[in-house]
Amino acid sequence: DTEVTQTPKHLVMGMTNKKSLKCEQHMGHRAMYWYKQKAKKPPELMFVYSYEKLSINESVPSRFSPECPNSSLLNLHLHALQPEDSALYLCASSQAGLEVYNEQFFGPGTRLTVL
Amino acid sequence: AQSVAQPEDQVNVAEGNPLTVKCTYSVSGNPYLFWYVQYPNRGLQFLLKYITGDNLVKGSYGFEAEFNKSQTSFHLKNPSALVCDSAFYFCAVRPRRSGSARQLTFGSGTQLTVLP
Repeated sequence: DTEVTQTPKHLVMGMTNKKSLKCEQHMGHRAMYWYKQKAKKPPELMFVYSYEKLSINESVPSRFSPECPNSSLLNLHLHALQPEDSALYLCASSQAGLEVYNEQFFGPGTRLTVL
Repeated sequence: AQSVAQPEDQVNVAEGNPLTVKCTYSVSGNPYLFWYVQYPNRGLQFLLKYITGDNLVKGSYGFEAEFNKSQTSFHLKNPSALVCDSAFYFCAVRPRRSGSARQLTFGSGTQLTVLP
């Protein structure tokens, strides 16, 4: 299985809602990532988990809260978002360790709209 | 700090013709270099990477890229474009030095349109 899956595909939420994005991979990868992507722009790194521990937080607002319950799952909890947070949220995974040349495998993304 | 430049926002090419999508980078030392492709409403898909060795790297779907250290470039090429190659292409760089953050730096992206 060489796939990263993400649910839901689309999400519409109000600014007072709480929702979660889910990501799953079964490739044995121990590094997992959340990216935010605006239309026609490159992905922007948000968080990196390595061996289920948060290793990078790119100064992301606290209304985004990541969670890595186990080596296969990655969640992104959303609360009190703003309309400018509307974007495609991509999850990715890769081999962990010192091999920084390992490519990342991306999921199809969750298209988030904040009203 | 590393950076990646994709000087062309848009590349148009006729089907069957060769295509080139340009990428130049700025990073200390020799980097790891990647190309990803993104089809509409999809995530990024890995195409190829340069780690070391042969400067010409072959990847998926007939794509290849040439690492040119003196010009700090890593242009993506395909000898015969297909309409289904139409997509957004991202070049990315990651420095080799240990201790650096595990992050890719992406270029701004190039929209490739292959015309039938």
